Amino acid sequence: RKEVEQDPGPFNVPEGATVAFNCTYSNSASQSFFWYRQDCRKEPKLLMSVYSSGNEDGRFTAQLNRASQYISLLIRDSKLSDSATYLCVVIEGTSGSARQLTFGSGTQLTVLP
Amino acid sequence: GAGVSQSPSNKVTEKGKDVELRCDPISGHVSLFWYQQALGQGPEFLTYFQNEAQLDKSGLPSDRFSAERTGGSVSTLTIQRTQQEDSAVYLCASSPAVRGEQFFGPGTRLTVL
Repeated sequence: RKEVEQDPGPFNVPEGATVAFNCTYSNSASQSFFWYRQDCRKEPKLLMSVYSSGNEDGRFTAQLNRASQYISLLIRDSKLSDSATYLCVVIEGTSGSARQLTFGSGTQLTVLP
Repeated sequence: GAGVSQSPSNKVTEKGKDVELRCDPISGHVSLFWYQQALGQGPEFLTYFQNEAQLDKSGLPSDRFSAERTGGSVSTLTIQRTQQEDSAVYLCASSPAVRGEQFFGPGTRLTVL
């Protein structure tokens, strides 16, 4: 079983639609949570961190449910430029040393005109 | 400013050959990570450096993989006796601190024939 699992996708949505991605993680000791965006043949880039209280950045809302070990990303009013792969990312453990990122497999989003 | 750079951007090699991949992190960044990304998957952690010290190499898939970071700046990932299953994109990321945001390079796409 993978440590971070995401909706398989792909998601094809019309411009202006609202779309939600879900992600579950298996390690209850996980400390930090993020959503990254990766365009085709490009490197991953941080989209937003995910906080326990939930957080919003413009059209993007991220939520964390520690009890269910579940993370979500909501995109409102989708734009063509939102088309990308969205990666759910977790940092596991409590040590002060390595802070390697554990990635899900990604969910591909295509916003259609 | 200059981001993380990696070279070569593409590498095609024959099975059994050795390859060396290079990463130039953002100047002054303490932490450096290597990840491997297979097609259709999220990146997977390989190894971590804090300055010159390799603190975690638990993700290296076999003893054919090694890495070093000379002088705490440039890093090289070496794969000896390459196999077809080594074909992937190799991503390097650097971070200004142990717990800082990781910035990714564009990756090296390795194809083993």
